[in-house]
Amino acid sequence: GAVVSQHPSRVICKSGTSVKIECRSLDFQATTMFWYRQFPKKSLMLMATSNEGSKATYEQGVEKDKFLINHASLTLSTLTVTSAHPEDSSFYICSASGKGEQYFGPGTRLTVT
Amino acid sequence: QQPVQSPQAVILREGEDAVINCSSSKALYSVHWYRQKHGEAPVFLMILLKGGEQKGHEKISASFNEKKQQSSLYLTASQLSYSGTYFCGTEIGGGGSNYKLTFGKGTLLTVNP
Repeated sequence: GAVVSQHPSRVICKSGTSVKIECRSLDFQATTMFWYRQFPKKSLMLMATSNEGSKATYEQGVEKDKFLINHASLTLSTLTVTSAHPEDSSFYICSASGKGEQYFGPGTRLTVT
Repeated sequence: QQPVQSPQAVILREGEDAVINCSSSKALYSVHWYRQKHGEAPVFLMILLKGGEQKGHEKISASFNEKKQQSSLYLTASQLSYSGTYFCGTEIGGGGSNYKLTFGKGTLLTVNP
């Protein structure tokens, strides 16, 4: 199957700082990448959809100025959590899609202190 | 628009069978099935497209009834490695939705020796 990497796997940051998470498709070109947030024992909540070279489409209730998404190439998308607060602590997962199936990265555990 | 999964949880002994259902109130274009183990990202199992098809992957197969707007995942002769939370992701619309998925709440499957 297709391989998607995410970096970092874990990050702890102080309240008010920004954190960047990278998502890479390693062996295929991803026309579309998705960013999800998952709370413990809960489902995957889609935050935004990004297409290479265009602005991301955010889901209702997701602040685009707080969660900045950049999809600079067909293999890389980044999510920047700006001015992080403790309530932003969560498991963030990206997925990449080339021809319909979504392949997930290993996730990033963000803890804001 | 979130699909409804049932049951919420199931406990099996190794070698037993299980069925997980996923139903939607909207017409579906495709259904995607994933398995997620604790602390890890979801792993793609299979995708079923509009047209009412069935697919199989070793001892895991699935069906998609387009008219009933539902899909079922069948796990036969379960193995310990099948333990995890199973999510269905549904895509509505006609393929022009950028493959955006809405996930159900998940079904926790536990296989005991």
